[in-house]
Amino acid sequence: AQKVTQAQTEISVVEKEDVTLDCVYETRDTTYYLFWYKQPPSGELVFLIRRNSFDEQNEISGRYSWNFQKSTSSFNFTITASQVVDSAVYFCALSEGSETSGSRLTFGEGTQLTVNP
Amino acid sequence: NAGVTQTPKFQVLKTGQSMTLQCAQDMNHNSMYWYRQDPGMGLRLIYYSASEGTTDKGEVPNGYNVSRLNKREFSLRLESAAPSQTSVYFCASSEGLWDAYGYTFGSGTRLTVV
Repeated sequence: AQKVTQAQTEISVVEKEDVTLDCVYETRDTTYYLFWYKQPPSGELVFLIRRNSFDEQNEISGRYSWNFQKSTSSFNFTITASQVVDSAVYFCALSEGSETSGSRLTFGEGTQLTVNP
Repeated sequence: NAGVTQTPKFQVLKTGQSMTLQCAQDMNHNSMYWYRQDPGMGLRLIYYSASEGTTDKGEVPNGYNVSRLNKREFSLRLESAAPSQTSVYFCASSEGLWDAYGYTFGSGTRLTVV
């Protein structure tokens, strides 16, 4: 069975600090997709990034960056120069499925990030 | 606005009551999902429908039933609500392809069973 582990339940930082959220996954599939979602206090789920298992290039989007390391089954998320608006719960997720059964997401437990002014 | 619409947004039920959570999407997606979110446990899949006419159990299906009414609508039914079903419920949809790019989530239904 597929599994996603986010070992950090809560992280608290001061504004402008860099913070890394860890994500470790388990899967037997050779082709899979990894996601990060943000859930702000308002409760909706906001898509941040999708990565496929064949693309290990790191990605940067503004203050956000992602480090995918297949060798350690990790897909970590770094926020540079954090801001109060980054305060949210962040979920890592793994897509499983097949050409016949479609796809579905397995989520980690989430990391509550609090950025203090 | 295009997306996934869930109703109701809030609901309080008494133990033993039944109710149906409604979900509709207007993106012509093939697959639809129901998740529940509990503190410290992330989102867990209850049921999903890979395509119109099919439904399958997810990780936590007990106490729930689903109906894929048509391509747009996927409902979740609690026949006899229990306090353990107090949770936030999210409906989602995707293209359904194995390499589906996006999963679009509804805004959630906060259910309390007393």
